[in-house]
Amino acid sequence: QVQLVESGGGLVKPGGSLRLSCAASGFTFSDYYMSWIRQAPGKGLEWVSYISSSGSTIYYADSVKGRFTISRDNAKNSLYLQMNSLRAEDTAVYYCARVDTAMDPYFDYWGQGTLVTVSS
Amino acid sequence: SYVLTQPPSVSVAPGKTARITCGGNNIGSKSVHWYQQKPGQAPVLVIYYDSDRPSGIPERFSGSNSGNTATLTISRVEAGDEADYYCQVWDSSSDHPGVFGTGTKVTVL
Repeated sequence: QVQLVESGGGLVKPGGSLRLSCAASGFTFSDYYMSWIRQAPGKGLEWVSYISSSGSTIYYADSVKGRFTISRDNAKNSLYLQMNSLRAEDTAVYYCARVDTAMDPYFDYWGQGTLVTVSS
Repeated sequence: SYVLTQPPSVSVAPGKTARITCGGNNIGSKSVHWYQQKPGQAPVLVIYYDSDRPSGIPERFSGSNSGNTATLTISRVEAGDEADYYCQVWDSSSDHPGVFGTGTKVTVL
């Protein structure tokens, strides 16, 4: 069965960095596009970033562009999110999600999320 | 950027029908997907491509999309349907294409 397991969350000071990982299993990871989606405490879902199966196509939300970097290692079945220059407003649960289809994508499987708290 | 607007809350009695709207400019020209999120849990896909249901999702969940409004309909509502619901589209004309709606809390009375 499809499994996505995020890790790497924690408490970090404003301006600091954190790297999230998502370990995928139960499907051919290299065949699928992937995304990061976040949810601030008590708030709605916010799409963060998207990467194609080969890594050649990448998109970011305006709120994280220039600070976050999405990447993947298909040999390790892993997705990453490098987060730099973190702000208080980046505090959220970060989910990795599998993207079904490259056209009009939707997110068919989600991990349980990892909490990132940005606070001094 | 593209904006999706949902009512903050919908209340419905058990056994009745809940309708959750998702408004967007000419949303009928896009594919709309819907997610259910229960407290403390990750979202779950309940409708994709406007009206298709993933395996395991009850037939009570259905969707439609036309004009400026997409609708998720939950028939014969059960207590277990109480959750937050989000619509989502992919705005391919944008360089930040992922868009979620504002979310709707469904309360079963």
